[in-house]
Amino acid sequence: IAGITQAPTSQILAAGRRMTLRCTQDMRHNAMYWYRQDLGLGLRLIHYSNTAGTTGKGEVPDGYSVSRANTDDFPLTLASAVPSQTSVYFCASSRSGGRTDTQYFGPGTRLTVL
Amino acid sequence: DQQVKQNSPSLSVQEGRISILNCDYTNSMFDYFLWYKKYPAEGPTFLISISSIKDKNEDGRFTVFLNKSAKHLSLHIVPSQPGDSAVYFCAASGSSGSARQLTFGSGTQLTVLP
Repeated sequence: IAGITQAPTSQILAAGRRMTLRCTQDMRHNAMYWYRQDLGLGLRLIHYSNTAGTTGKGEVPDGYSVSRANTDDFPLTLASAVPSQTSVYFCASSRSGGRTDTQYFGPGTRLTVL
Repeated sequence: DQQVKQNSPSLSVQEGRISILNCDYTNSMFDYFLWYKKYPAEGPTFLISISSIKDKNEDGRFTVFLNKSAKHLSLHIVPSQPGDSAVYFCAASGSSGSARQLTFGSGTQLTVLP
């Protein structure tokens, strides 16, 4: 079934540890996105990529990095996790990042940093 | 300060009645608006959208109304069904580089009572 997969589904992590959240899409979409969802704040954009090889910063990029080596994968890395990064993380993709493109979301990764 | 606001965290309606979910925005550069629906443990799914050149868009039981002068949009669901029970996120976008970055509201939990 075409779509977006995210791994892991959930993770408990000690503060200071490094963590990579994985995201893979099989829709051959050019644009991909990472959001975090926090209670009372909705979803906030962390980083995005218009196409393979390019990335950009969203609203809340500090403490996170991304790479886009190919079309399908868009991993999100926390170099040294802190408790404020406890959240649910959603990866999304869209065909081209254009004006009327629909963003399709993965099922999310629930991350707890202790 | 949040640029997209959903001031009602929750809403309960009886099955068969109309559900009206509201959203306000502050950024006059937003020109495209979307509603997403989210079930627990799943990613958001696109529901309906509207461009700023329109004031209404309809898709089956779902209608979105846009009042640009008031910077307000609403989602009407008629008739409401128990399966509509979910969190509804309003989102807005304006051109930003070559990627459409969505700004989300905090969500409204809709409960449709049988």
